[in-house]
Amino acid sequence: EPEVTQTPSHQVTQMGQEVILRCVPISNHLYFYWYRQILGQKVEFLVSFYNNEISEKSEIFDDQFSVERPDGSNFTLKIRSTKLEDSAMYFCASREGPALVDTQYFGPGTRLTVL
Amino acid sequence: AQSVTQLDSHVSVSEGTPVLLRCNYSSSYSPSLFWYVQHPNKGLQLLLKYTSAATLVKGINGFEAEFKKSETSFHLTKPSAHMSDAAEYFCVVSPARAGNMLTFGGGTRLMVKP
Repeated sequence: EPEVTQTPSHQVTQMGQEVILRCVPISNHLYFYWYRQILGQKVEFLVSFYNNEISEKSEIFDDQFSVERPDGSNFTLKIRSTKLEDSAMYFCASREGPALVDTQYFGPGTRLTVL
Repeated sequence: AQSVTQLDSHVSVSEGTPVLLRCNYSSSYSPSLFWYVQHPNKGLQLLLKYTSAATLVKGINGFEAEFKKSETSFHLTKPSAHMSDAAEYFCVVSPARAGNMLTFGGGTRLMVKP
C-alpha cells in the first residue's frame, strides 16, 4: 500500500539554524499538508498546498516558514531560523483530490529538537 | 470555526471488554469527522470517517463510530479490546469544503490491561 514518507525521522539543530524537513507524498496525490505537534499538545495545522501554491495557512505559519515542491515527488518544509519553541513533531500529509471522501494520509513524522 | 473536544485524556480497559472513546465537536459547516490512531513511533493512521452518508460508520480493526448531530458527538467504540489497540486516538473534524485543514482533538491514550 502506498504511504507518505518523511526524512529525517529525528533532526537536532541549534537555535537560529535553518532546517528543511522532507516529505514524499503518495504519488497520485495533489493536495499536501504540514501539521505539527508540540509535546503534550494538540496536533496543529500549519499549511496546505495545491497546484504549486499555498492554499491555506495558520497563524503559526509565519515568515520563518516556507514550503516548496521542488520536483515531482518531494514536498519540503523549511524553517529559516529555528527557535526553541519550534521543537515539535512535524507531520506531512497528502490527499488525492478535493472530494469530501478523500482522506488525508499522514507520514510517520519528523521529530525536530532545537537546542 | 471548528473545534473538537475529547472528553478523556486517558482510558484504561481490560482486554476483552468494550472500548468507548468520547468526542464532541463544533463546526460552522456540515463537518466531515474522522478518527485517527497513532501507535508509538508510527504515523497517524485513519481508523474511520464520516462524510454525511450513513451515521454509523465502521472502520478498521473492529472499531465503529456513530455521528449524532443532535448531541454533536462522534464517539468511537469497539465491542472487545485487544492488547494491540493500545495507542493514542485522535478525533478530527474538517468542514465540508474541499482541500481544507483538519482540526484535531487533544487525543485519548487507550491502555489495555491483560
